[in-house]
Amino acid sequence: DTGVSQDPRHKITKRGQNVTFRCDPISEHNRLYWYRQTLGQGPEFLTYFQNEAQLEKSRLLSDRFSAERPKGSFSTLEIQRTEQGDSAMYLCASRPKLRAENTEAFFGQGTRLTVV
Amino acid sequence: AQSVTQPDIHITVSEGASLELRCNYSYGATPYLFWYVQSPGQGLQLLLKYFSGDTLVQGIKGFEAEFKRSQSSFNLRKPSVHWSDAAEYFCAVANTQGGKLIFGQGTELSVKP
Repeated sequence: DTGVSQDPRHKITKRGQNVTFRCDPISEHNRLYWYRQTLGQGPEFLTYFQNEAQLEKSRLLSDRFSAERPKGSFSTLEIQRTEQGDSAMYLCASRPKLRAENTEAFFGQGTRLTVV
Repeated sequence: AQSVTQPDIHITVSEGASLELRCNYSYGATPYLFWYVQSPGQGLQLLLKYFSGDTLVQGIKGFEAEFKRSQSSFNLRKPSVHWSDAAEYFCAVANTQGGKLIFGQGTELSVKP
């Protein structure tokens, strides 16, 4: 297991289309996070899971966004009816359970979304 | 509300010169602090972290940072910069309840020969 894996790396879509991204965390990491990063900004928290439970969602996560983590393994982030403002890098991160407050998050390379 | 401020959007240093990137945070409790580096089009790599104990922490690639509670700062330093250090640097504070990170806006580092 080499790290957090995200697929696809790049996605270009037309406005109004739906897109889905996948994140595979490091094995046995029970916490999984999604962040969004726009050009020139730091990543902003979207949502996080502990196992399969979605424990927190940012107000940035509008009704068009939904995230799942079935069986507590990989996670998907879906954006419905994409808008140009959704263009960003979507980053996934995972953290282990053991001494969870004393460990860092490991990030994937991200999915770059461009809405045209 | 928690927040992180990185006052310098862009810094240019000469190769071999020393570097200090500033970070100020706002957080009510004892913060968990991090510095990440991001190369163009890539994800984030952890440079170092502070949870407790010694306020001077050592990280990878020759970086260090000092936690100063009185100044609410966690500045990143490197004594001699290499051209390969050119990247975007992010300071972050963790929400201990969920572990989510609050990031600063980032500082872009350019290194001139």
